[in-house]
Amino acid sequence: AQTVTQSQPEMSVQEAETVTLSCTYDTSESDYYLFWYKQPPSRQMILVIRQEAYKQQNATENRFSVNFQKAAKSFSLKISDSQLGDAAMYFCAYRRGTDKLIFGTGTRLQVFP
Amino acid sequence: ETGVTQSPTHLIKTRGQQVTLRCSSQSGHNTVSWYQQALGQGPQFIFQYYREEENGRGNFPPRFSGLQFPNYSSELNVNALELDDSALYLCASSPEGRGQETQYFGPGTRLLVL
Repeated sequence: AQTVTQSQPEMSVQEAETVTLSCTYDTSESDYYLFWYKQPPSRQMILVIRQEAYKQQNATENRFSVNFQKAAKSFSLKISDSQLGDAAMYFCAYRRGTDKLIFGTGTRLQVFP
Repeated sequence: ETGVTQSPTHLIKTRGQQVTLRCSSQSGHNTVSWYQQALGQGPQFIFQYYREEENGRGNFPPRFSGLQFPNYSSELNVNALELDDSALYLCASSPEGRGQETQYFGPGTRLLVL
């Protein structure tokens, strides 16, 4: 069965600095998708970034980028120039095709001014 | 284009009661999934509907049931509520074809069972 592991329950970063959140996953599949979602205290799960496993190029979305290492089954999220509004729970998630999303346990990110 | 909406935002029920939660998919999305998120946990998959048919189910008992309507809105019904059913219930929709692998979430319904 596929699993997603986030080993950092909490992380903190100073405003304008860079932080990296870790995620590892386990699967025997070769074709799948990986996601990072952000969940602020308002509870809504917001898509941050998406990566297709068949693409070697790391996805980027403005200040957010990933380091996707398929062989190592690692998918970390880098947030550059951190802002106060980035403070939230961040969930790493795996999906094969249109199957269910499998989430990690989340990393709480605090941003200090 | 409207996003995914859910109602109600909060709900309090007592043990043994039944509850219905509602979700309106994002415009043009014909697949809807429901997730349960306990406090401090990641969301857990309950089930998924595609064109009004259930096409995937997680490890939840039969007292969790659902419906999808022709306009692709959806309901989650929970019978015989238990204290452990207290959680945030999230609905997510995705389009058919291009982009179908990405799910977009609603704001959730917070259910408290006393």
